[in-house]
Amino acid sequence: GQQLNQSPQSMFIQEGEDVSMNCTSSSIFNTWLWYKQDPGEGPVLLIALYKAGELTSNGRLTAQFGITRKDSFLNISASIPSDVGIYFCAGQPTANTGNQFYFGTGTSLTVIP
Amino acid sequence: GAVVSQHPSRVICKSGTSVKIECRSLDFQATTMFWYRQFPKKSLMLMATSNEGSKATYEQGVEKDKFLINHASLTLSTLTVTSAHPEDSSFYICSASADTPSGNTIYFGEGSWLTVV
Repeated sequence: GQQLNQSPQSMFIQEGEDVSMNCTSSSIFNTWLWYKQDPGEGPVLLIALYKAGELTSNGRLTAQFGITRKDSFLNISASIPSDVGIYFCAGQPTANTGNQFYFGTGTSLTVIP
Repeated sequence: GAVVSQHPSRVICKSGTSVKIECRSLDFQATTMFWYRQFPKKSLMLMATSNEGSKATYEQGVEKDKFLINHASLTLSTLTVTSAHPEDSSFYICSASADTPSGNTIYFGEGSWLTVV
């Protein structure tokens, strides 16, 4: 299936720093989801976005549904060691059949204490 | 949030045998479930889409006779790896599509580690 373009691929940051990552698609999406996956576990839903321009927070995490409907951003403020993991975006195209979602390639985050 | 449970979390089987992995939506009905395979440090690779009461739709390159999928109820989908070989060893994850008042969301199971020896 189609994969979304997610960047950066990996990040190494100092504890306390802010983090930004994004996903882009070639088509218009009506849903953007952000997940975190710890090693050996299934992805956990962080934030769900359903409207263009929507800005939603979950603790130190904030995600936005791009106004072009072709991108989404995830920010993590004041990172802590437990933020380490792989972050995935997922999107559902507007022209969707069968509840299909497409995934980003993931951003691996390492937080240095 | 909604809960999707996978079982077993880890399984070891002998080469040539078959192994079944279950995916259950515990607190919602899921007409659509998805099965993925994930290699170390890689993104999720969609294997098939499972629709309740109908045949699964497999992604290109995935052998439907080897990876049997059954979605017999609105809360249960199963993946059976038949005649397993060591190269089938991997992390398998399921997800279920949930309709919320805002829109569709997918929730993932915890994943199942399969080791074929």
